[in-house]
Amino acid sequence: KQEVTQIPAALSVPEGENLVLNCSFTDSAIYNLQWFRQDPGKGLTSLLLIQSSQREQTSGRLNASLDKSSGRSTLYIAASQPGDSATYLCATYGGATNKLIFGTGTLLAVQP
Amino acid sequence: EAGVAQSPRYKIIEKRQSVAFWCNPISGHATLYWYQQILGQGPKLLIQFQNNGVVDDSQLPKDRFSAERLKGVDSTLKIQPAKLEDSAVYLCASSSLSRMNYGYTFGSGTRLTVV
Repeated sequence: KQEVTQIPAALSVPEGENLVLNCSFTDSAIYNLQWFRQDPGKGLTSLLLIQSSQREQTSGRLNASLDKSSGRSTLYIAASQPGDSATYLCATYGGATNKLIFGTGTLLAVQP
Repeated sequence: EAGVAQSPRYKIIEKRQSVAFWCNPISGHATLYWYQQILGQGPKLLIQFQNNGVVDDSQLPKDRFSAERLKGVDSTLKIQPAKLEDSAVYLCASSSLSRMNYGYTFGSGTRLTVV
């Protein structure tokens, strides 16, 4: 059974800092891994999707990496801004269950 | 393309009442999912449809929850009777059958509070 873990559970940084969010998963037989952003009480916004054959994806100040063999992904946010404050969720698709399995998220607060 | 539409955005009901949520997926997406997200947790899959057939409902509390997807497009999720622990955000998502490697698209969710 796929288990997805995100560390840290919460993170507070001053504006302008670069930061890394971590995601680990137990079943490496995935098709892809997706990073989402969620604002309080709202739905999910897809940030980056990394296929199993890829090692990283970039969008603006965001860079996500994937190391399938070690069961890890990181989301790097450069020059953080208060508007980046949200919960960040990673989710794997595929593996034995062929479902999208979520981690519990990292709550990010960027202080002005 | 238009996104996944959900309604209502918010709902407050008393326990033992019934409630229904509606979802309209992205046009052409054959696969539709309902997720439940309790505060502080990641979303949990309740039910997955492919066209109008159920693929997976193993985590759906069938004694009180039901869902349907008539004509393989819109879907409704119903809770009857609601319990306090059903307070959560209910998320609908869709994906293309032929492009499932291209990820899921989520709606804005319905926030349910049971009092």
